[in-house]
Amino acid sequence: ERVMTQSPATLSVSPGERATLSCRASQSVSSNLAWFQQKPGQAPRLLIYGASTRATGIPARFSGSGSGTEFTLIISSLQSEDFAVYYCQQYNNWPTFGPGTKVDIK
Amino acid sequence: QVQLQESGPGLVKPSGTLSLTCAVSGGSISSDSWWSWVRQPPGKGLEWIGEIYHSGSINYNPSLKSRVSISLDKSKNQFSLNLSSVTAADTAVYYCARGLYGAKTFDLWGQGTLVTVSS
Repeated sequence: ERVMTQSPATLSVSPGERATLSCRASQSVSSNLAWFQQKPGQAPRLLIYGASTRATGIPARFSGSGSGTEFTLIISSLQSEDFAVYYCQQYNNWPTFGPGTKVDIK
Repeated sequence: QVQLQESGPGLVKPSGTLSLTCAVSGGSISSDSWWSWVRQPPGKGLEWIGEIYHSGSINYNPSLKSRVSISLDKSKNQFSLNLSSVTAADTAVYYCARGLYGAKTFDLWGQGTLVTVSS
């Protein structure tokens, strides 16, 4: 099983600022990495797949990078609707998710 | 556009079987997609349960494999989850989801349904 970890657990950011979220895999997952956004009471929404490809309809302020075991999601200028929990998920073999990073208002 | 909707009992007794159905509307379950179940215990993270393809191919999370069964009904355009021998640890919001073409991630989700295991 590939175990995913995320840091930090909570990130406090002011609107308009940049947010940088990290995800690490216990073994290489190549570029088989996705990022999700989840708001309270809602299903997760796919943001990024293939480590760096934005899903349909996702704004350009969301960008993903990395390969192997280290990955990053950057939100370039936080909007009010971006405050949420973000999960990474690997799909190199059977899918596993990280524990999440909560982005809240500073 | 394609939509997914989960349905099933919201309360299951310990040692019983949890049964849920996901109805696919606006598209065909026989399209080139895998169909998955994912769950999320209250206040916790996400866990993939398993997936099915319209050909009948199935994959399960190894940690749940002994208790899980996923099936598909083309005539009703839906797929189903059975989880046996449930305990309180199986209390969660259960989501059905569509696999993204070419990648084992999920580009469309149902709204989720809370299933509580309690006597």
